[in-house]
Amino acid sequence: EDKVVQSPLSLVVHEGDTVTLNCSYEVTNFRSLLWYKQEKKAPTFLFMLTSSGIEKKSGRLSSILDKKELFSILNITATQTGDSAIYLCAVLRGAGSYQLTFGKGTKLSVIP
Amino acid sequence: ETGVTQTPRHLVMGMTNKKSLKCEQHLGHNAMYWYKQSAKKPLELMFVYNFKEQTENNSVPSRFSPECPNSSHLFLHLHTLQPEDSALYLCASSQDSGSLHFGPGTRLTVT
Repeated sequence: EDKVVQSPLSLVVHEGDTVTLNCSYEVTNFRSLLWYKQEKKAPTFLFMLTSSGIEKKSGRLSSILDKKELFSILNITATQTGDSAIYLCAVLRGAGSYQLTFGKGTKLSVIP
Repeated sequence: ETGVTQTPRHLVMGMTNKKSLKCEQHLGHNAMYWYKQSAKKPLELMFVYNFKEQTENNSVPSRFSPECPNSSHLFLHLHTLQPEDSALYLCASSQDSGSLHFGPGTRLTVT
């Protein structure tokens, strides 16, 4: 059975701090790992990672995948209150599958 | 609002009711999904349709019945639900099996 484990489950930081969110996985025939941000309702897409060691960046957010150790990290620098959300990690199986397995998420709270 | 819309946004129903959730995507994608999100549990895939054909059905009870009349519309028909079915039901679409675009969800409460 596919498994995605995120840590920590919740995190409280002050504005300006840097945070690192972790995601480890066990999945049959891995294809990609995806990060989503969920504020109130719909998760919104952040990154899709397929290759090991290649960092993806979007503003203050960045993410990298390690396919040997089966994990990914999501970094947020200079956090702002608007970064408060649940961050979801998900893994996608190989070609032909639409099975996306999600972790429980990390709830990030950024306080002023 | 995103390119994926869902109605209704909130629904309260009794265990003997029949209701339907509706999803529409305006992104030209060929795959549509129903996910269930319960408190303190990961998002659970329920159904996937690719070009109107159901490709995945993750052991979902028969009281949930999906319908995909075309690649832009997806329904979830609900019948004799249980209180434990109360959750946020999220519709999503994708092009092939790429990144998902989620709708705002329907918050369902079964009384």
